Amino acid sequence: AQTVTQSQPEMSVQEAETVTLSCTYDTSESDYYLFWYKQPPSRQMILVIRQEAYKQQNATENRFSVNFQKAAKSFSLKISDSQLGDAAMYFCAYRSRLGWGNKLTFGTGTQLKVEL
Amino acid sequence: EADIYQTPRYLVIGTGKKITLECSQTMGHDKMYWYQQDPGMELHLIHYSYGVNSTEKGDLSSESTVSRIRTEHFPLTLESARPSHTSQYLCASSEPGQGGRYGYTFGSGTRLTVV
Repeated sequence: AQTVTQSQPEMSVQEAETVTLSCTYDTSESDYYLFWYKQPPSRQMILVIRQEAYKQQNATENRFSVNFQKAAKSFSLKISDSQLGDAAMYFCAYRSRLGWGNKLTFGTGTQLKVEL
Repeated sequence: EADIYQTPRYLVIGTGKKITLECSQTMGHDKMYWYQQDPGMELHLIHYSYGVNSTEKGDLSSESTVSRIRTEHFPLTLESARPSHTSQYLCASSEPGQGGRYGYTFGSGTRLTVV
């Protein structure tokens, strides 16, 4: 079974600075997807960015980018020019590409605080 | 913009009451999921469905039950609520077919308090 580990329960960043959230995973598969989700306080969880394992190029979405290291099974999220609205719980997730009905496996989350 | 809707958003109810948490999606997704999220924020899968008349228990044992009579509707029921059921419940869905390329779409959640 796959596992996802987020070793940072909490992180803080100054507004306009850059922060990196860590995520590692364990799998024996070679084809899969990785995701970062954001859950603001009392609001809906939304997808921030996703990465397809067969693509070597790191995904980027505006101020959000990932550092995908397949051999190391590492998938970190970098947030540039942090804004107050980035404060939220961030979940890393894994999904196998194989098999019908494949489910997401989530990490335990990292609470990000953005300070003025 | 949410295409998956959960009602109620907040619910405070007495012990022993029967409750149903509603979840509906308009995207035609075949797979749907219920997660329980405790104050520590960790997500626990309690139920999932791969389509109409298909329901399975998740990784975390739950006293709740679910049904999937229509593709768009995936309600969760607690026959007799207890304070231990106090939690946030998140509903999610994902697109048809294999691949899982796009992850899940989540509802806004129902925060349940049993007193």
